[in-house]
Amino acid sequence: AQKVTQTQTSISVMEKTTVTMDCVYETQDSSYFLFWYKQTASGEIVFLIRQDSYKKENATVGHYSLNFQKPKSSIGLIITATQIEDSAVYFCAMREGFLSSGSWQLIFGSGTQLTVMP
Amino acid sequence: NAGVIQTPRHKVTGKGQEATLWCEPISGHSAVFWYRQTIVQGLEFLTYFRNQAPIDDSGMPKERFSAQMPNQSHSTLKIQSTQPQDSAVYLCASSLDWSQNTLYFGAGTRLSVL
Repeated sequence: AQKVTQTQTSISVMEKTTVTMDCVYETQDSSYFLFWYKQTASGEIVFLIRQDSYKKENATVGHYSLNFQKPKSSIGLIITATQIEDSAVYFCAMREGFLSSGSWQLIFGSGTQLTVMP
Repeated sequence: NAGVIQTPRHKVTGKGQEATLWCEPISGHSAVFWYRQTIVQGLEFLTYFRNQAPIDDSGMPKERFSAQMPNQSHSTLKIQSTQPQDSAVYLCASSLDWSQNTLYFGAGTRLSVL
């Protein structure tokens, strides 16, 4: 069974610094997909970035990038030049390949609260 | 693109009453997912549809919960005889098709059962 673990409950950083949020996952599948989502104070959940397991290059979108370490089953989210508006809860999520799990459900971690201070 | 639309945003029911939650996926998206979010359990998968057909309802409580997708433009989640433990934010999400994995979430419906 797949599982996603985020051990950092909350992180506080100063504005314009770089922060890394950790996420480890468990899967028996050789093909899977990893995602990071952000939930704002209003409750809105927004997709940020994804990493497909077969891709060796770390994904990058704007000031978000991933540190994908497949042997460690780890997918860290790196936010550079943090801004006040990056304050939110960040969720890591995983989906196994359809052929193995027979389902497209996304399994989420428990989330990390990021606070960016001025 | 209006995004995923969920109505109502807030619903208050008395214990034992029925609650129906509505979701309008993004136009052209063929997969619709329902999740429930609570402080204790976090984000829990409930069920999903692909091309209106129910594919996986493994997260749905076996009693009192049901979901339907009568047409490609809306899905409903119905909870019969609501209980206080059903209080949560219910989130609907859609994705483009079976090969696209990214989910786009609605704003959610906050259900409060008194």
